[in-house]
Amino acid sequence: EIVLTQSPGTLSLSPGERATLSCRASQTIIRNYLAWHQQKPGQAPRLLIFGATTRATDIPDRFSGSGSGTDFTLTISALEPEDFAVYYCQQYGNSPRTFGQGTKVEIK
Amino acid sequence: DVHLVESGGGLVQPGRSLRLSCLGSGFTFGDYLMSWVRQAPGKGLEWVGFIRSKTYGGATEIATSVKGRFAISRDDSQNIVHLQMNSLKTEDTAVYYCTRAYSDGFYSADLGSWGQGTLVTVSS
Repeated sequence: EIVLTQSPGTLSLSPGERATLSCRASQTIIRNYLAWHQQKPGQAPRLLIFGATTRATDIPDRFSGSGSGTDFTLTISALEPEDFAVYYCQQYGNSPRTFGQGTKVEIK
Repeated sequence: DVHLVESGGGLVQPGRSLRLSCLGSGFTFGDYLMSWVRQAPGKGLEWVGFIRSKTYGGATEIATSVKGRFAISRDDSQNIVHLQMNSLKTEDTAVYYCTRAYSDGFYSADLGSWGQGTLVTVSS
């Protein structure tokens, strides 16, 4: 099973600032099949990025994904108030599918 | 618009069974891989399993933590996917989400669209 480790656990930032979230895999993720999901309190998660770098439909371009192999990054170029949430990375290249433990982006 | 609605959650005693259902609309249901993901109260996301479309054999994969107790099936004529949960344990208490793959290809991202979830509470 691929273990995904996200860092930091919590990111305290102000609106307008840049957020950089990391996801490290315990082994190479096949075809860079790495996704990022956003979850706001009391809501279902939402897919942001798949294939490490491709934005899902209707996702604003302030969200970008990068990385390959075992190291991946989600960047939010300038935080909007609605971006404060928990972010999960998830790999779908191997079974079982696995999630990281999440990074909470909170308002500083 | 893709719409996924889970049902069947509730309070159940340990050792009993429960079947969750997920009704999909707004897309050709039979063309897509469907998955279940759960989230225990205050915890992160945990993948439960998926079922492929009939185009790709309808194969299922289930997480090790629930293998032998949980099973996934689909009825494409009704646009429904089921999660059958047997021998429930207190640690199965969670919100269970149904998801649809992002696209209908074999290599699509599994978790493209999410339902709102249904709460399962396992307690005596």
